[in-house]
Amino acid sequence: ELKVEQNPLFLSMQEGKNYTIYCNYSTTSDRLYWYRQDPGKSLESLFVLLSNGAVKQEGRLMASLDTKARLSTLHITAAVHDLSATYFCAAYDSGGGADGLTFGKGTHLIIQP
Amino acid sequence: DGGITQSPKYLFRKEGQNVTLSCEQNLNHDAMYWYRQDPGQGLRLIYYSQIVNDFQKGDIAEGYSVSREKKESFPLTVTSAQKNPTAFYLCASSKKWLRGLAGAEQYFGPGTRLTVT
Repeated sequence: ELKVEQNPLFLSMQEGKNYTIYCNYSTTSDRLYWYRQDPGKSLESLFVLLSNGAVKQEGRLMASLDTKARLSTLHITAAVHDLSATYFCAAYDSGGGADGLTFGKGTHLIIQP
Repeated sequence: DGGITQSPKYLFRKEGQNVTLSCEQNLNHDAMYWYRQDPGQGLRLIYYSQIVNDFQKGDIAEGYSVSREKKESFPLTVTSAQKNPTAFYLCASSKKWLRGLAGAEQYFGPGTRLTVT
């Protein structure tokens, strides 16, 4: 059974600082998704990572995937208040499970001025 | 505008009543999904459908039912058998079923917040 763990689950940081959110998954997965959720809202797709070593960047966010370590990271550079949200990673079970995504519990990120 | 719509946004029901949540997409996507989100938790898969007239159970299907009579529509019924129905329900779709397309993205609707008392 695929399990996805994120850490930290809660992060308070100051504007201008850098930080990384970690996402570990337990079994084979050929892709990794990152989503953003604002309070009371739906999920917004940020990145889909498809292969080992994949790196994608959008603005101050950069995501990477290491399939051998079963680890994905979401790096925030020079954080700004607008990035405050909950960030989820999700993996797809390549081993034959249900055709949906398995989500981590989310990282609640607060960026303070 | 293409997208996924869910209605209603908020729904209140008494315990013991069945309730149906609507999900419609005009993206011409083959695959549709229902997830449930509880406070402070990630999403969990309830049901999914890869094509019309076919659907499969996800991880937490007990107490739920679905139908897929049209490509655009995938309604979810929360039955009285669901022990803890209060949650945020999210519908999603993707162009093809995820196993069939490695780069497939899942797009999410705005969600329905169900409260059962």
